[in-house]
Amino acid sequence: DADVTQTPRNRITKTGKRIMLECSQTKGHDRMYWYRQDPGLGLRLIYYSFDVKDINKGEISDGYSVSRQAQAKFSLSLESAIPNQTALYFCATSDYREGLTADTQYFGPGTRLTVL
Amino acid sequence: AQTVTQSQPEMSVQEAETVTLSCTYDTSESDYYLFWYKQPPSRQMILVIRQEAYKQQNATENRFSVNFQKAAKSFSLKISDSQLGDAAMYFCAYSFTGNTPLVFGKGTRLSVIA
Repeated sequence: DADVTQTPRNRITKTGKRIMLECSQTKGHDRMYWYRQDPGLGLRLIYYSFDVKDINKGEISDGYSVSRQAQAKFSLSLESAIPNQTALYFCATSDYREGLTADTQYFGPGTRLTVL
Repeated sequence: AQTVTQSQPEMSVQEAETVTLSCTYDTSESDYYLFWYKQPPSRQMILVIRQEAYKQQNATENRFSVNFQKAAKSFSLKISDSQLGDAAMYFCAYSFTGNTPLVFGKGTRLSVIA
């Protein structure tokens, strides 16, 4: 089974709808991230969380909210979806341990969201 | 703010040949980490190689190696003996520490010609 899972894998919705993208991980990592990928723009950070009680905005947080329900779960919500939120969304995790500064970020398979 | 620039939107290489993908970055930090990620058509993000800025030796992983020029803030990826499976989008990324948010470049799409 995959270490980082995202649901749904694909979603088509309409303008104004509320959408939740979910991310779960079995890696036991403390740190979780949400990125958005647009063609020609690379990946940009939406939100990140260093533990359950620590949530931070990223570069493009407007129009999004997150919830860290548990160490293993980090959800991204679009309260009222709009067409320019059509993108590929990635969840990622990384580990933090005292003295460890070079751990890799592990990515989920991505969610393709289309807002009509 | 840190920025990462990939100046080659698209590249192509003949199978078995060598290709170099360019990446430059801007940061005021002295210690940081640089990464190359591969994204094949499956869209999965796969770590190819990483480099710690405090290490002078260039990182290598099998056919993949980097040319890290700290003073020039340059971090290029060399793929030797290119294979059809190397065809993908490649992203250069920076982080202040190895497990803080990544800053990505816009990517380079690599095609491998048989």
